[in-house]
Amino acid sequence: DAKTTQPNSMESNEEEPVHLPCNHSTISGTDYIHWYRQLPSQGPEYVIHGLTSNVNNRMASLAIAEDRKSSTLILHRATLRDAAVYYCILRRGDTGKLIFGQGTTLQVKP
Amino acid sequence: NAGVTQTPKFQVLKTGQSMTLQCAQDMNHEYMSWYRQDPGMGLRLIHYSVGAGITDQGEVPNGYNVSRSTTEDFPLRLLSAAPSQTSVYFCASSYSTSDAQGDGYTFGSGTRLTVV
Repeated sequence: DAKTTQPNSMESNEEEPVHLPCNHSTISGTDYIHWYRQLPSQGPEYVIHGLTSNVNNRMASLAIAEDRKSSTLILHRATLRDAAVYYCILRRGDTGKLIFGQGTTLQVKP
Repeated sequence: NAGVTQTPKFQVLKTGQSMTLQCAQDMNHEYMSWYRQDPGMGLRLIHYSVGAGITDQGEVPNGYNVSRSTTEDFPLRLLSAAPSQTSVYFCASSYSTSDAQGDGYTFGSGTRLTVV
C-alpha cells in the first residue's frame, strides 16, 4: 500500500490560514487522496478527498500537485476547535482500503 | 441520526474470554471496516468488507474474526482475548469502494476495550 509522509506537528494562530502538507510519491493512478482529522477521545472525522483536481468543501480545501506526488490541506481560518491530529491517507482504488499513517498534530494558539 | 453505532462503549475482559463488538450503520453503505488504535498511535486496519457476504483481512487480523451477513451490521469477534488486544476499536463505513461517489468514511465513536 502506498505510504504518505506528514510532519509530526504544526502550530498555527487562531483566525489565520493553515497549510498542512503531505507527500505521497508512490501514489498510483487510481488512489484517492483522503484527509481525516481526529479530536481527542473521538473517532476520526472525514474532511475532504480528491483524485486530481483541487477540491473545496465547507470544512477545507485540498490542493493536489499536478504530478499527484504531494497535496496540501488548507484550513482557511483556523479556530481553536481545529486543534486535532490530521491524517493524509491514500485510499486504494481497487480494494477501497484506507491505511492510516501517524498524522500531523495541529496546535492552534489563541 | 444516521451514522455508525458501536456497542458497547466500554468493556473489560479477562484473558481468554471471548466477546463480540457490535457495529451497525443505517446509511446503506456497502463498505465497512474495523480499526484499532493503541495509545498515542494511528489507526490500524483489522478487517474490512466490500459488501454483504464478503470480508477480507487488513493489516492486523490475527486474533479477530468478522462476518457480514447483512449490509447494516459488521460485528468483530475476539475469540480468546489477550492483554495485547487492549485498545480502542473503531468501526467505519463508506458508500462504496469507489470514491467517485460518497463523502469518505463515517466512523463510530469507538469501543474502549481493556483485557486484564
